[in-house]
Amino acid sequence: NAGVTQTPKFQVLKTGQSMTLQCAQDMNHEYMSWYRQDPGMGLRLIHYSVGAGITDQGEVPNGYNVSRSTTEDFPLRLLSAAPSQTSVYFCASGRTDFLALHFGNGTRLTVT
Amino acid sequence: GENVEQHPSTLSVQEGDSAVIKCTYSDSASNYFPWYKQELGKGPQLIIDIRSNVGEKKDQRIAVTLNKTAKHFSLHITETQPEDSAVYFCAAPLGGTSYGKLTFGQGTILTVHP
Repeated sequence: NAGVTQTPKFQVLKTGQSMTLQCAQDMNHEYMSWYRQDPGMGLRLIHYSVGAGITDQGEVPNGYNVSRSTTEDFPLRLLSAAPSQTSVYFCASGRTDFLALHFGNGTRLTVT
Repeated sequence: GENVEQHPSTLSVQEGDSAVIKCTYSDSASNYFPWYKQELGKGPQLIIDIRSNVGEKKDQRIAVTLNKTAKHFSLHITETQPEDSAVYFCAAPLGGTSYGKLTFGQGTILTVHP
């Protein structure tokens, strides 16, 4: 049972480049979300989804896009990378009738 | 939206001592309070949670207490061991009761010295 799988583990981008962070879960969870983690700031919610075809914004959505075409996958797209997006990104999933989240092991992104 | 303050930011204890981490929240409608443990290079993992209809919950060496009147909740770890060393996060639901949309505290780096 893989749980929540994130790829890649590490990525370096130049300012202005675009990329997609992948997230997949095999627990049939309806709810999926993306957080970013910065030193001293905890985890902040970027976008979330309560099911295929449904997405919504979290606390810090600017500069990021998401889509949810299947229950299993929830990719995060950076449209034009900026140094302020240097962070560790975590994907999390859960059941909508239960609040506990299952996190992946993160993607460390550096934008130069 | 919900605001969660966590203290202390770092905590150093000797093996066998107890450790207490405290969080305060702003939204009185919040009804779910989890604690996550994050080890180096990994994602956070849920270790214990409490809902607003109880004041305390225990699971072996860890416990969480909730004071809804004062809007704070605490993590208690007894008989600490070196493997308890990690970053601990508290959280509360954004918008009070919205499932899954958690606001996290800033984190506490716990170091347990052998």
